[in-house]
Amino acid sequence: DSGVTQTPKHLITATGQRVTLRCSPRSGDLSVYWYQQSLDQGLQFLIQYYNGEERAKGNILERFSAQQFPDLHSELNLSSLELGDSALYFCASSVRPGGYNEQFFGPGTRLTVL
Amino acid sequence: GENVEQHPSTLSVQEGDSAVIKCTYSDSASNYFPWYKQELGKRPQLIIDIRSNVGEKKDQRIAVTLNKTAKHFSLHITETQPEDSAVYFCAAPSLDNYGQNFVFGPGTRLSVLP
Repeated sequence: DSGVTQTPKHLITATGQRVTLRCSPRSGDLSVYWYQQSLDQGLQFLIQYYNGEERAKGNILERFSAQQFPDLHSELNLSSLELGDSALYFCASSVRPGGYNEQFFGPGTRLTVL
Repeated sequence: GENVEQHPSTLSVQEGDSAVIKCTYSDSASNYFPWYKQELGKRPQLIIDIRSNVGEKKDQRIAVTLNKTAKHFSLHITETQPEDSAVYFCAAPSLDNYGQNFVFGPGTRLSVLP
């Protein structure tokens, strides 16, 4: 158990809908990262927050948005869902921002768009 | 920006043999290289990492070597066991985002045959 929690574990929805994925980082970690992993694919970096502020953006679609709240939990909002959005979405956290710090991954949310 | 290539994409070895996975990166300023292991249906977990001030690091049956001149680093697993079967990802800091996040390689699926 990494200490990072994600809810829900599974999510099944229809095209055109909107969903919200939630992540709570490890105690003491200020930085949160979101990744998308499609079937048998690698980890695609979406977005990163540090202490409530956006720090880095990857290949995140305009239909997707995220935020980090004062209690440091983060939410990833996916709207106008398409079949191709079906994937495993991971949240990770680290003590400090930057690609020089170990990232601890949550168990992921499996999103299925029908 | 940083580009991380990883080879091979799949690797099958007999139990007890060694396995080697190689990654190349593009940005010579990168100085931290982690390796993550992802078992089927589970979260990625850090198994070993190396910083650019050393050429090799070992942890029991796992070792990582770094060649900064050639811009490549490799994961070595000796005396492989069935529980080593997983997908392995290498990563390097994305200096496009001032090193705020990792760029992951596409992954290597390792199968250890009994």
